[in-house]
Amino acid sequence: GQNIDQPTEMTATEGAIVQINCTYQTSGFNGLFWYQQHAGEAPTFLSYNVLDGLEEKGRFSSFLSRSKGYSYLLLKELQMKDSASYLCAVIDSNYQLIWGAGTKLIIKP
Amino acid sequence: GAVVSQHPSWVICKSGTSVKIECRSLDFQATTMFWYRQFPKQSLMLMATSNEGSKATYEQGVEKDKFLINHASLTLSTLTVTSAHPEDSSFYICSARVLYSASFTTETQYFGPGTRLLVL
Repeated sequence: GQNIDQPTEMTATEGAIVQINCTYQTSGFNGLFWYQQHAGEAPTFLSYNVLDGLEEKGRFSSFLSRSKGYSYLLLKELQMKDSASYLCAVIDSNYQLIWGAGTKLIIKP
Repeated sequence: GAVVSQHPSWVICKSGTSVKIECRSLDFQATTMFWYRQFPKQSLMLMATSNEGSKATYEQGVEKDKFLINHASLTLSTLTVTSAHPEDSSFYICSARVLYSASFTTETQYFGPGTRLLVL
């Protein structure tokens, strides 16, 4: 079966750095997405990785290792508004988007 | 970035009525749109994939006669919840897939703001 694992919940302090991990086992791979979802709102696109390595976008970076079936989202200089759920999603060989359950990130002052 | 709108954002209706939700891609053409449902504190659940000009593909367990999907143009897809019941109360979210040029192809999905449906 297809499976995406990410921690259910994480807590971090304002101004700090946090890394949210995602591991996947899917039938084929055509890319991995990270989305941010604030409570009561729709997800918003953060990043897309299809090649190994680190993609940096301001305070957010996303890393992919295809051989390990592993990705992480790195958030720097955390702000209170970063409190949200972070969803990892993988495109499989049939171009279907497989979603993780999401990681709820709680930022404390 | 690509903008997707949804209308209405909130619906409260009586049990047995039908509700139509519109999803529009405002600044791009979307050959494929997706409809999701999300219950409180749960993950997104894909209901159906909608391709312009053809019938929608429904996920297992989703009743196609209850959740009617029409994707008549490259910028508009509609979801109609027919004879809604309280258990249909949920957060319904659409997304549209953007296909970039051949030199950089992604399957990024951009989401609408969602529609909250409350069936009394």
